[in-house]
Amino acid sequence: DQQVKQNSPSLSVQEGRISILNCDYTNSMFDYFLWYKKYPAEGPTFLISISSIKDKNEDGRFTVFLNKSAKHLSLHIVPSQPGDSAVYFCAASEAGYALNFGKGTSLLVTP
Amino acid sequence: EAGVAQSPRYKIIEKRQSVAFWCNPISGHATLYWYQQILGQGPKLLIQFQNNGVVDDSQLPKDRFSAERLKGVDSTLKIQPAKLEDSAVYLCASSSIGGEAFFGQGTRLTVV
Repeated sequence: DQQVKQNSPSLSVQEGRISILNCDYTNSMFDYFLWYKKYPAEGPTFLISISSIKDKNEDGRFTVFLNKSAKHLSLHIVPSQPGDSAVYFCAASEAGYALNFGKGTSLLVTP
Repeated sequence: EAGVAQSPRYKIIEKRQSVAFWCNPISGHATLYWYQQILGQGPKLLIQFQNNGVVDDSQLPKDRFSAERLKGVDSTLKIQPAKLEDSAVYLCASSSIGGEAFFGQGTRLTVV
């Protein structure tokens, strides 16, 4: 049973605009949420995280928002750059346990 | 800081053969994970070690898959015998306790 869901398999955005990637989860015990970025033929690389005690975390062009009541998180990339084109995975975990991943969203940033 | 090392990068075997993958985690990381990523899916946990003990192996198909972590450092994942549906990328990751996981480049397995 998929506990982390990314319902948009792909997203295309123009360079300079905002990219918004969405993620929903079903397990209310999850307390740590992460986004990973993956290029072809490479392993996922950590991008940004947020714990359940926060509702927002910002790191440069990347911001993650968490809405616990809706069991929803989103990743905002502003401004989007062509080098951001990759597959983005949402992941969530309970303390001490491994990450549960969504299926990923393929982001294409066009010049 | 050296990252998570995995070998081999690619492996092609026939069904019913056996195969083994190796992982060297980041130095000092107590937790090691093996994930399976089938094309078009997100990574799925196979097994989680903390030091050399197993934390979670509930999704490991134990009739054909086995894993060990020697002396709490390196780890090997073995499949015997392989099936066509085992074709996937096998990712190793490590983390400090409570920290984010860092992934290796993965081993792409093709079973023909």
